[in-house]
Amino acid sequence: GDSVTQMEGPVTLSEEAFLTINCTYTATGYPSLFWYVQYPGEGLQLLLKATKADDKGSNKGFEATYRKETTSFHLEKGSVQVSDSAVYFCALSGTGGGADGLTFGKGTHLIIQP
Amino acid sequence: DTAVSQTPKYLVTQMGNDKSIKCEQNLGHDTMYWYKQDSKKFLKIMFSYNNKELIINETVPNRFSPKSPDKAHLNLHINSLELGDSAVYFCASSQVSRRFYANTGELFFGEGSRLTVL
Repeated sequence: GDSVTQMEGPVTLSEEAFLTINCTYTATGYPSLFWYVQYPGEGLQLLLKATKADDKGSNKGFEATYRKETTSFHLEKGSVQVSDSAVYFCALSGTGGGADGLTFGKGTHLIIQP
Repeated sequence: DTAVSQTPKYLVTQMGNDKSIKCEQNLGHDTMYWYKQDSKKFLKIMFSYNNKELIINETVPNRFSPKSPDKAHLNLHINSLELGDSAVYFCASSQVSRRFYANTGELFFGEGSRLTVL
């Protein structure tokens, strides 16, 4: 079945550091790929997405490129802020079609220190 | 207006009780979901409904029963609560493409309902 693997946290960085959170996936067909963010005490929000190979999703300074050859969708940001502290989830859409929702990775807890 | 709203936000109850969590979306989506998030933040889909029809029913104890009175509402009823049911339950919605019958878009999540079973 479909699966998503992402680096386990917590990941602790200093403010203005460069961020990479790795994500790889296994899926049949051609899924859409997503990064969601969950701030403390809140639900998940879409951060960015890419629907086909070589697409780059970007939002709020975050970027991720859909790499079909390496089945990866790594999240990057050039200079993180304390407000970026949250849990980040990589996800893919079901390739079986229909209302099968998203398959999520286990989440990466990011802590940014001033 | 909140796009996906679920109530209650917090629920503390004793083992063996029955409880319900309600979810409503005002986005006009045709598909709704329940996800369970455990203490390690792992998210697992429990159910999905498309136009009031049950589509996904993952390996979930039959003490959990979803009900969708219309496509804007998906409620979750849990019978005989157990300690292991303690988690945060998220409702979500999306629009499934009628042309491709595939979920190519994002899911919109509610803020979650934290259930604590004592």
